Amino acid sequence: NAGVTQTPKFRVLKTGQSMTLLCAQDMNHEYMYWYRQDPGMGLRLIHYSVGEGTTAKGEVPDGYNVSRLKKQNFLLGLESAAPSQTSVYFCASSRDRVNPGELFFGEGSRLTVL
Amino acid sequence: DAKTTQPNSMESNEEEPVHLPCNHSTISGTDYIHWYRQLPSQGPEYVIHGLTSNVNNRMASLAIAEDRKSSTLILHRATLRDAAVYYCILRSAGGTSYGKLTFGQGTILTVHP
Repeated sequence: NAGVTQTPKFRVLKTGQSMTLLCAQDMNHEYMYWYRQDPGMGLRLIHYSVGEGTTAKGEVPDGYNVSRLKKQNFLLGLESAAPSQTSVYFCASSRDRVNPGELFFGEGSRLTVL
Repeated sequence: DAKTTQPNSMESNEEEPVHLPCNHSTISGTDYIHWYRQLPSQGPEYVIHGLTSNVNNRMASLAIAEDRKSSTLILHRATLRDAAVYYCILRSAGGTSYGKLTFGQGTILTVHP
């Protein structure tokens, strides 16, 4: 049972380039989330999804887009990367919100934008 | 979103109990109290959560004040592996929050051998 898997784990981009981070979960969870974590800070929510085909904005959505075409996958896209998007990105999933149990996090994707 | 206040850092010795406090004076009736921890270079890991009653699991205990305005995470015997940043988070079960977690700065726990 893999849990939450993020790819790639490391990536270096130049300003203006685009890329997509992939998050996959094998727990049949309805809810999925993308967070970013900057040095010495807690995690901030970028976007989240409450089910296949749905997405919503979190605290810091600007500069990012997401898609949830399949229940098990949640993609985070950067259309034109900026140095301010240098961060560690974490994906998470959870079962539902009626009984808000634990979130399962991936190991993170470290992105550097030059 | 209701906020939490935690000390920036705490220290403990190995095999001693650790009590990590959290204040959440603006907690609402539908907010669950969650604790996560983050080891260096890893994603956050669920520790425990509760609503009103004290909770125990294999990792820790959660003591919740009667008025729910504060709580304490208890690690009964700290090990070196427990050195991490501990986050106390309120997670709403109602409204439009969809169970989101809002992370604060957390408490950096250092465990001495």
